Amino acid sequence: ETGVTQSPTHLIKTRGQQVTLRCSSQSGHNTVSWYQQALGQGPQFIFQYYREEENGRGNFPPRFSGLQFPNYSSELNVNALELDDSALYLCASSSFGTGVIRYSGYTFGSGTRLTVV
Amino acid sequence: AQTVTQSQPEMSVQEAETVTLSCTYDTSESDYYLFWYKQPPSRQMILVIRQEAYKQQNATENRFSVNFQKAAKSFSLKISDSQLGDAAMYFCAYRSDYGQNFVFGPGTRLSVLP
Repeated sequence: ETGVTQSPTHLIKTRGQQVTLRCSSQSGHNTVSWYQQALGQGPQFIFQYYREEENGRGNFPPRFSGLQFPNYSSELNVNALELDDSALYLCASSSFGTGVIRYSGYTFGSGTRLTVV
Repeated sequence: AQTVTQSQPEMSVQEAETVTLSCTYDTSESDYYLFWYKQPPSRQMILVIRQEAYKQQNATENRFSVNFQKAAKSFSLKISDSQLGDAAMYFCAYRSDYGQNFVFGPGTRLSVLP
């Protein structure tokens, strides 16, 4: 059973640029969540994708967007990068059944460290 | 909105000793889950222990146990027989029963001294 894989592991971008981060979910998982973890802080929820649609979003501006693909992998896109976007971006996958979404086990990746200069 | 507070930014413990990490949370919901996650230098969040709010019995996982006080909205983690590999950031997290996301606290950095 494979875990959650994120790429790249580190990335340096210039303010104003755009970035795409990638996440391969654990085998058998159909839901992906993204979190931003600033230095010295706990992770903050960005959004969640289920069945290729966004079904939950935290307090992040629209320049943070995402995609989920039929194989349940996911991308996080950030446009017009700002210095405060420098953080560790974590992806977590899980498996939900149809109907009501209830708790299931989550597997986190090791994150992408984004530095904006 | 739910919030999670960890009042101990850093803690240290001697190898083989016991340490308790504190966590309080605020919610108006009655059904939810509480978690302790460990984040070592590898950065991956690793689940340490989970507690369902409807269960009165405190969860235990080997050397890890919790003291869940629902009325006080308190959820502390006790690590017994501390090992060098326990050194990491520890995050307390909340999740609604039908919620889409975790709410994490700011974390406690645990050092284990040989």
